[in-house]
Amino acid sequence: DTGVSQDPRHKITKRGQNVTFRCDPISEHNRLYWYRQTLGQGPEFLTYFQNEAQLEKSRLLSDRFSAERPKGSFSTLEIQRTEQGDSAMYLCASSRNVAANSPLHFGNGTRLTVT
Amino acid sequence: QQPVQSPQAVILREGEDAVINCSSSKALYSVHWYRQKHGEAPIFLMILLKGGEQKGHDKISASFNEKKQQSSLYLTASQLSYSGTYFCGTEYGTASKLTFGTGTRLQVTL
Repeated sequence: DTGVSQDPRHKITKRGQNVTFRCDPISEHNRLYWYRQTLGQGPEFLTYFQNEAQLEKSRLLSDRFSAERPKGSFSTLEIQRTEQGDSAMYLCASSRNVAANSPLHFGNGTRLTVT
Repeated sequence: QQPVQSPQAVILREGEDAVINCSSSKALYSVHWYRQKHGEAPIFLMILLKGGEQKGHDKISASFNEKKQQSSLYLTASQLSYSGTYFCGTEYGTASKLTFGTGTRLQVTL
């Protein structure tokens, strides 16, 4: 169990640029989640996958956000035309099964700063 | 809909006990509890399922009141290492996403 890995750890970008983050879940985990967290707040749900299928995407998420999980392994989260309000910690988590039976294992996150 | 936690913050002396509450406006299927230290990822503590099944650690326990749609986390004989922000995560049906609460900041002092 090598844990959930996220890359990069930090990203500074200028407003209007596109950014892409990668998450490598624990290998036998079927579920993969993306959350966003700002200072002093709880993780805010963005989207999640069961294997390669994207099961739900937050209604709060604009069309600028897209996520993929090809072949049910690693996942990428892309933000197009970044805005200053996108600055946050982006957390990836994985679980073996549905949340009711399996804890979420979080990665260390990617901190995005939009200038 | 985001569950509400109380208190927002609590300061304890080492060895004291604490209770953190998590309330939902919707019927709960399961509740998770996580602890997050500053600059680190949230770490799993326990899951409580509708029907009463419980998992967890030794000095940390929790209850799940289905009728009141709330869960409480009990920290006994707190240690300095218990300091951090505690989040509950709620699930409203089988195979659904986890929605995290507003958080409770806990500080344990000597």
